[in-house]
Amino acid sequence: AQKITQTQPGMFVQEKEAVTLDCTYDTSDPSYGLFWYKQPSSGEMIFLIYQGSYDQQNATEGRYSLNFQKARKSANLVISASQLGDSAMYFCAMREADNQGGKLIFGQGTELSVKP
Amino acid sequence: AAGVIQSPRHLIKEKRETATLKCYPIPRHDTVYWYQQGPGQDPQFLISFYEKMQSDKGSIPDRFSAQQFSDYHSELNMSSLELGDSALYFCASSSRGTSFYNEQFFGPGTRLTVL
Repeated sequence: AQKITQTQPGMFVQEKEAVTLDCTYDTSDPSYGLFWYKQPSSGEMIFLIYQGSYDQQNATEGRYSLNFQKARKSANLVISASQLGDSAMYFCAMREADNQGGKLIFGQGTELSVKP
Repeated sequence: AAGVIQSPRHLIKEKRETATLKCYPIPRHDTVYWYQQGPGQDPQFLISFYEKMQSDKGSIPDRFSAQQFSDYHSELNMSSLELGDSALYFCASSSRGTSFYNEQFFGPGTRLTVL
């Protein structure tokens, strides 16, 4: 069963506006971590932001913030003041504590296009 | 800062040939992960190593094998290549430490094309 779900295959946003990319997850493990990665057309995976399941506050990293709603099992990425360089594929990923190996489980991704 | 190094960056093989992908983790990182990302797909976990021992195994075909060497670099060996093996192969490394948060740093990937 898919543990990470990204329901938006593609999103468009106007330059300088904010955009929210959705991510829901499913786990019975009380300890887990949620990650967002950016994958430009060149292919590399760029780490953006992390949220731990016990973190009391939503994570923020520059223009990126994570809207973490634990009861709803959602971890949406908010990008403020979008830039043309933000156009890329965005993946939400999860790591569960009982997974000692530490592998990441990825969602299907959302392709973001920023329009000038 | 040093990053994860993967070689080669691009590889073209014929069906039924073999391929070896190499990964050099960030210095002092003790864990290496391999992921496969097919065209238009999300990355899928293949296998991981912690301190040179296999720590987890995902949906890795029996035709594939991997190991981590004494210098911590890792190699993914792929035999009897099939068209469906065409994908971007990522290596990632991390330092396990005591924190649950162990960011995985991804290499640039090896793009394998099987003809």
